[in-house]
Amino acid sequence: AQSVTQLDSHVSVSEGTPVLLRCNYSSSYSPSLFWYVQHPNKGLQLLLKYTSAATLVKGINGFEAEFKKSETSFHLTKPSAHMSDAAEYFCVVTSGYSTLTFGKGTMLLVSP
Amino acid sequence: SQTIHQWPATLVQPVGSPLSLECTVEGTSNPNLYWYRQAAGRGLQLLFYSVGIGQISSEVPQNLSASRPQDRQFILSSKKLLLSDSGFYLCAWNGASADGEQFFGPGTRLTVL
Repeated sequence: AQSVTQLDSHVSVSEGTPVLLRCNYSSSYSPSLFWYVQHPNKGLQLLLKYTSAATLVKGINGFEAEFKKSETSFHLTKPSAHMSDAAEYFCVVTSGYSTLTFGKGTMLLVSP
Repeated sequence: SQTIHQWPATLVQPVGSPLSLECTVEGTSNPNLYWYRQAAGRGLQLLFYSVGIGQISSEVPQNLSASRPQDRQFILSSKKLLLSDSGFYLCAWNGASADGEQFFGPGTRLTVL
């Protein structure tokens, strides 16, 4: 069994300040973890993924995430938010060939 | 490179009418294909997935059905729409990679009135 909890439904930041979107997971097997971003009325785009290689994963648009097995966490960070980062973000887990399990999403709001 | 198409992009249908949403993938063969529904504030719900032509697995019992008549074509249907069928429908595919990454289409916004 696998599950994902995104700890915040909404996060508000000012442009130029750091971003932290929190995700905890559970999985019976070694997981693969993903962060996807969705802009309004668009499909999902992969930001980054962890697949048992380096625990610090760098993605597109300056985002990165760190896999912490002891904390069962995979938090998404960015040093400096940009207005174009405003979107909904999904943390996703899968194990082996099982289907993906999505978190409920975190809406990131960026103010000028 | 691989691309995934969905149509229509938006659809407004009356309650009780039929539905057909189409998804096609280009640039790959024998993909796994998925239909998701995204309702407001509820994240993504997996509806159906298919590992090959004619092979459909249903994750949630409801008045929707799916078919895969060709290798790279996945269709979502309903005989009679309900108000609760409104939402954003996403098609996705993945290939032989074992890490599970899926690639999503642009989605169809369905409003049932």
